Amino acid sequence: NAGVMQNPRHLVRRRGQEARLRCSPMKGHSHVYWYRQLPEEGLKFMVYLQKENIIDESGMPKERFSAEFPKEGPSILRIQQVVRGDSAAYFCASSARDLSNTGELFFGEGSRLTVL
Amino acid sequence: AQTVTQSQPEMSVQEAETVTLSCTYDTSESNYYLFWYKQPPSRQMILVIRQEAYKQQNATENRFSVNFQKAAKSFSLKISDSQLGDTAMYFCASADGNNRKLIWGLGTSLAVNP
Repeated sequence: NAGVMQNPRHLVRRRGQEARLRCSPMKGHSHVYWYRQLPEEGLKFMVYLQKENIIDESGMPKERFSAEFPKEGPSILRIQQVVRGDSAAYFCASSARDLSNTGELFFGEGSRLTVL
Repeated sequence: AQTVTQSQPEMSVQEAETVTLSCTYDTSESNYYLFWYKQPPSRQMILVIRQEAYKQQNATENRFSVNFQKAAKSFSLKISDSQLGDTAMYFCASADGNNRKLIWGLGTSLAVNP
């Protein structure tokens, strides 16, 4: 039973380009969360999705960032017109039910974005 | 808003000894979850231990245990018989009122020395 799979593990973009980060949750998990980790900091919540629905995007910057979790395929975190401040590790986590029921998230290994 | 504070940026311990990592939190919720996660150099977050706030008994997972003081809003992690593989960043986190997202501390870097 594969864990949460994220790709790419490392992504380098120049300022102004687009970054797409993919996350395949654990088998049977329909809840996906994206977190961002800046250097020397803890994780910051970005967005919580269930299949085809955005449940909570309160941590997502209003511009340039978007996320989706289609009926088929992985969840995608998209960053348009990247800037140097977007350089960070982006972690995806999944759960079978929401945290109020299980209290446990399973994390991927993260995607490290570097903006030149 | 919920906050989580880890006051020890770095700690070290000798192999086989015991170490305690501190965490305090602030919440207005009556029920919530608290977590300790480990982030080794591989960077993947691994759940170490979980505590449900309505449970008075402290959670224990093998060498890992917590001291949960609800009134003081304190949630410390004790690692007994420390092993070299315990070297990692340790993050304390709480689940918010809707239990839909985790609020994280800044982490404690733990080094276990041989």
